Parts: sequence; C-alpha cells; structure tokens
Amino acid sequence: DILMTQSPSTLSASVGDRITITCRASQTINRWLAWYQQKPGKAPKLLVYKASILENGVPSRFSGSGSGTEFTLTISSLQPDDFATYYCQQYNSNIYTFGPGTKVDIK
Amino acid sequence: QQQLQESGPGLVKPSETLSLTCTVSGDSISTINYFWGWIRQPPGKGLEWIGSIYYDGSTNYSPSLQSRVTISLDTSKNQFSLKLRSVTAADTAVYYCARHVIAAPRGGVDRWGQGTLVTVSS
Repeated sequence: DILMTQSPSTLSASVGDRITITCRASQTINRWLAWYQQKPGKAPKLLVYKASILENGVPSRFSGSGSGTEFTLTISSLQPDDFATYYCQQYNSNIYTFGPGTKVDIK
Repeated sequence: QQQLQESGPGLVKPSETLSLTCTVSGDSISTINYFWGWIRQPPGKGLEWIGSIYYDGSTNYSPSLQSRVTISLDTSKNQFSLKLRSVTAADTAVYYCARHVIAAPRGGVDRWGQGTLVTVSS
C-alpha cells in the first residue's frame, strides 16, 4: 500500500496569511496527487489534481506543487472561507489512499 | 451536471451486511472516463477510500477491507452499490459515493454524493 502523511495536522492562521501544507507518499507517485477541501457536514471538494492543476472554479490563491514523494498545497492569502480541513489523495495506483488531513483554523 | 445520491439503511446491526446504492443522474455510468467509488469517514475522523468499479465491472478494493467488500454495477439503472459484510461499530461512518476521473489530463474525485451516515448498533 502507498501510505500518505500530512503535516502539520493542525495549522492556526489569520486572514491574509500565506500557509503551506505538506503531503508525503511512502513511495513515488509521480504527480498523481489531488488535494481536497472539506468543511464540517459537507462532502470534500476537489481543489487540485495532477499535483498542480487547479480544478475549474478554484481561486488562484490556491496552488499545488511537487512530484515523486513530496507535495505542497499553498494558500497565498488566507480568506475566511478557507478555514477547513484539507486532504491529499494519491491515485498513482488503482488503490487510492488519502492523507490524514490538515485542519486550518483561526488563530 | 452529473449528480450522485446515496441510499440505504441508516442503521445496521453488528455482524450483518451494510448495503448502499448510489444513483447517478445527468449522464451514463457506462463511460471509459471514470471509476465509480465509495469513500467513508468515521465521525470526527479522516477520509478512507473503500474501493471502486469501472464500467466493465472490474474492481479495486482497499486491502484493509477487501475481504469484506463487494462493489457492483447496474448499468440498466445507472447505479452502483456497496456491500460490506460482518460490520462492527468501527464501520460506523458517513459513506460517500464518488466519481473518480481517469481521463487524462484530469484526475481526482470531482463528484461526490452528499454522504449518508450509517450507524452500526444493536
């Protein structure tokens, strides 16, 4: 199995801050990585696929980067709507796995 | 726009089988562009991928659940289903059906059902 880890598990930040979340895979997944945002009581929302491509309609303050085993999701200027939990997911193999999540809350 | 909707019992007894169905509207599930899958989320915890099925009926399952899971397709009803056998309280979760894009260059899960809470309890 490909195991995914994320850091930090919780991130406290203020509106306007630049934040970065890291996701690591236990083996190379090339660029087959997606990022999701989830708010309480809602289904996750796809933000980024293939490590760095923004899904249609996702604000440009979000960006993804990385390849191989290390990836990042950056929000350039945190907005009130961005306080949520973020998950990475690998789809390199047909057995997909999620990271444990990073909760972004208000400092 | 394609929509997904889960249906099934919200309460299942321990040792019994959890059965859920996902109805897809807005397009046919008989397409080469997607896997159709199930993902769950225990209360207060993270997302767990359960498995997926392709339009030809081929399946992939999480190794940790493989011995208890079956995902099947009913193209005549534009539905796919999940069966999880021998459930315990640890299987209590919100269950999402989902569409995985596999047609390059896109990827990831771009459509989700609203989720349905299934509680395992006697």
